[in-house]
Amino acid sequence: VQLVESGGVIVQPGGSLRLSCAASGFIFDDYIIHWVRQAPGKGLEWVCLISRDGDNAYYADSVKGRFTISRDNSKNSLYLQMNSLRSEDTALYYCAKEGDFGSYIESWGQGTLVTVSS
Amino acid sequence: EIVLTQSPGTLSLSPGERATLSCRASQRVTSDYLAWYQQKPGQAPRLLIYGASTRATGIPDRFSGSGYGTDFSLTISRLEPEDVAVYYCQQYGSSPSITFGQGTRLEIK
Repeated sequence: VQLVESGGVIVQPGGSLRLSCAASGFIFDDYIIHWVRQAPGKGLEWVCLISRDGDNAYYADSVKGRFTISRDNSKNSLYLQMNSLRSEDTALYYCAKEGDFGSYIESWGQGTLVTVSS
Repeated sequence: EIVLTQSPGTLSLSPGERATLSCRASQRVTSDYLAWYQQKPGQAPRLLIYGASTRATGIPDRFSGSGYGTDFSLTISRLEPEDVAVYYCQQYGSSPSITFGQGTRLEIK
């Protein structure tokens, strides 16, 4: 299993950004995929998840209405559209694959760093 | 939302000793859907335990999970220097959202 995130940059408050995650080594459309973030020196925070077929998505209250998760199963890829970014969104964003027996995270990418700063 | 509280915040032990990390939930965790992760400095988290007590693939049997309801623990027997890390618990019984504890930092003297 390999998950490779990209797209993290420095962006100004109020700006937008799109993260990507390229998946390989497993049957992508068999699994629910999550985004989990970690602010510098802080703990893990769940951000959102998307169903296997992409029809359903769920978000943490902290990002609801600003972030949109999507997936393209034909490209084995996951995306996170981030709008109206705030300084508190500064974090390392991990793409994360669920396990076979529930919503624990079996595999993690290495993360992509998003910095929101003027 | 289920809140997970981990204790202690930091644990400092010697090689060969046993470490016991606690994770307490604000309400019952459905079906004991509780997982533990290890995060070493500069690395992504790694799954250790799921279903409260099932070791993930490739995890040494020095690591064991136990508990039910609202009280869970991770035990690391025979500590090794490579066990230095932050350990997180996570509940997934209240799907679709999941929550993490704040972490316990393990130091080896």
